[in-house]
Amino acid sequence: TQLLEQSPQFLSIQEGENLTVYCNSSSVFSSLQWYRQEPGEGPVLLVTVVTGGEVKKLKRLTFQFGDARKDSSLHITAAQPGDTGLYLCAGGEINNAGNMLTFGGGTRLMVKP
Amino acid sequence: DAGVIQSPRHEVTEMGQEVTLRCKPISGHDYLFWYRQTMMRGLELLIYFNNNVPIDDSGMPEDRFSAKMPNASFSTLKIQPSEPRDSAVYFCASSFWGTHTGELFFGEGSRLTVL
Repeated sequence: TQLLEQSPQFLSIQEGENLTVYCNSSSVFSSLQWYRQEPGEGPVLLVTVVTGGEVKKLKRLTFQFGDARKDSSLHITAAQPGDTGLYLCAGGEINNAGNMLTFGGGTRLMVKP
Repeated sequence: DAGVIQSPRHEVTEMGQEVTLRCKPISGHDYLFWYRQTMMRGLELLIYFNNNVPIDDSGMPEDRFSAKMPNASFSTLKIQPSEPRDSAVYFCASSFWGTHTGELFFGEGSRLTVL
């Protein structure tokens, strides 16, 4: 079973600060996805990265896939209260059954105004 | 387009009672997943279907849990009998293999409380 560890588990910051969330594994993944989950809702996909070293930007969010495709990071610039939520990374492994995802434990972010 | 629809959104029941959770996946999606989320264990995959056929149910906790997908537009997760430790948020998600990225579309979840 492939495991994904996310750090930190909890993060509380002030509006305007920058932060980085990490997602690490000893296994290689074919793709890496980041989801955000708000209270009372299901996770929603933010981005998918598939190439080692790939960097994707989504407004103030920057996602990077490690060169070896074992880890990823999410950097948020000038965090806003609307960024509050649970951030989940999910590693994808393609097999005969499809593209199966393994989820990390999540990073719970709170951005205070 | 309608997303994944789950019902009920909230269920409170007593230990020993049967619980049935329902899911309507996004039309055209060929994969359906049932997850359970708790603070302690995070998001756990219980079972998934491909074209209505159960592929992997190794995440189902025990025989009290069962899932069915009688057709492409409906799935159920049943717990019988329910226990307090089953209290969690249960998510249904669907995806389309054709994209090869495995993006999951989640429903809003069913919050189950077993007293």
